[in-house]
Parts: sequence; structure tokens; C-alpha cells
Amino acid sequence: GENVEQHPSTLSVQEGDSAVIKCTYSDSASNYFPWYKQELGKRPQLIIDIRSNVGEKKDQRIAVTLNKTAKHFSLHITETQPEDSAVYFCAASTHSGYALNFGKGTSLLVTP
Amino acid sequence: DAGVIQSPRHEVTEMGQEVTLRCKPISGHNSLFWYRQTMMRGLELLIYFNNNVPIDDSGMPEDRFSAKMPNASFSTLKIQPSEPRDSAVYFCASRGTTEAFFGQGTRLTVV
Repeated sequence: GENVEQHPSTLSVQEGDSAVIKCTYSDSASNYFPWYKQELGKRPQLIIDIRSNVGEKKDQRIAVTLNKTAKHFSLHITETQPEDSAVYFCAASTHSGYALNFGKGTSLLVTP
Repeated sequence: DAGVIQSPRHEVTEMGQEVTLRCKPISGHNSLFWYRQTMMRGLELLIYFNNNVPIDDSGMPEDRFSAKMPNASFSTLKIQPSEPRDSAVYFCASRGTTEAFFGQGTRLTVV
């Protein structure tokens, strides 16, 4: 099955700096790559996603890049704010409706 | 739509007791997933259904765990008998063609 690796497991940045989280996947058939944010005590919620026919996608301070050849994708958060502090999960899926396989998560701390 | 609805939100039970977790997916979503979240293992996929049919249950840890989806609007995850190591947050999620939406989770504590 699909195996998703995520790094780093923890990340601490100063407010205003950028944060980058990286993931790799094993199944070349995967074609959908979402990122979820989970605040303490809450459910994971989608913040951005990308499909394999696109190399990069941006939404305000958040961007995701995908390298299909290398089978890795990354989340970039610019101008970080304390409210960005949370656990971020990457995931990969082969078909719509099929299971999302998650990475182990990255705990991001943004200090003022 | 109220989103994915899980019940109960919290469950405390004694070791050996049966536990049943419930989930109502978003109407129109044809896939439903059960995940378990712990600090050590992160978000583990236990089982998922497509059009009410179990597709992959390889993540179910033991025979003590079972899941059903009798119709498109309801699923259960049962643990019998429960053990302290089953303590975790159990999430149900549903998906249509793109993103998966999570329920608020059930925090299970087995003492």
C-alpha cells in the first residue's frame, strides 16, 4: 500500500519567518495530495490540496509544490503567525473516494 | 449539511467492556473512513468503505475490532473486548470526489 513519510516531526519558527514541511510517497499511482491542519483538541481540516497534473498551487500565505518524478511534495507557509501553530498532516491518495494515507504529522510552533 | 457527525464525543469504559462508536457521513459522500489517532502512531487508517462495502480493513489491529456500514448514512466501529491500549481518539471521515471531511472524533479511554 501507499507509504507517506513526513519531515520534520517538529518545527519551531519565529513569527514572520517561513516554514517548510516535506513529504514523500511510495505509490506512483497516487494523484491527489492534500494537507490538513489540526489544532489542539480539534479535528483535522483541509487547508490546501494539489493534483498530480499540477506542479504548484498557492493560496495566500500557503503554497504546495509537487514533484511527481521524485515522488515528493512540500507545504510552504510564508509570513508565519502564532495562529499557524498546529499539527500539519500531508496525505496521498490514488483515486477519488479512496483512502487518504497520512504522514505522521509535523508539529509547528510559531513564536512571537 | 452538519458535516460528519460522530457519537459519543467522549467514552470512558472499563477494560473488557464492549465499545461502539458511531458515525454519520456527509450526505452524498460515497466513501467512509475510520482513523485512530495516538501520539505514538499518528493518524492510522483502520478501515474504509466505498458505497457501503468494506474495501480495505488491513489497518484493523485485531479481531477485537469490527466495523459495519449497513447503509449510506451510518457506520459503527466496535471494540469487544476493549483494552487500555485501545485508548485513543477515533475519527470518522467521509469523502466524495475530492477532500475528506472529518468528524469531531470520539475520545476513548479504557481503564
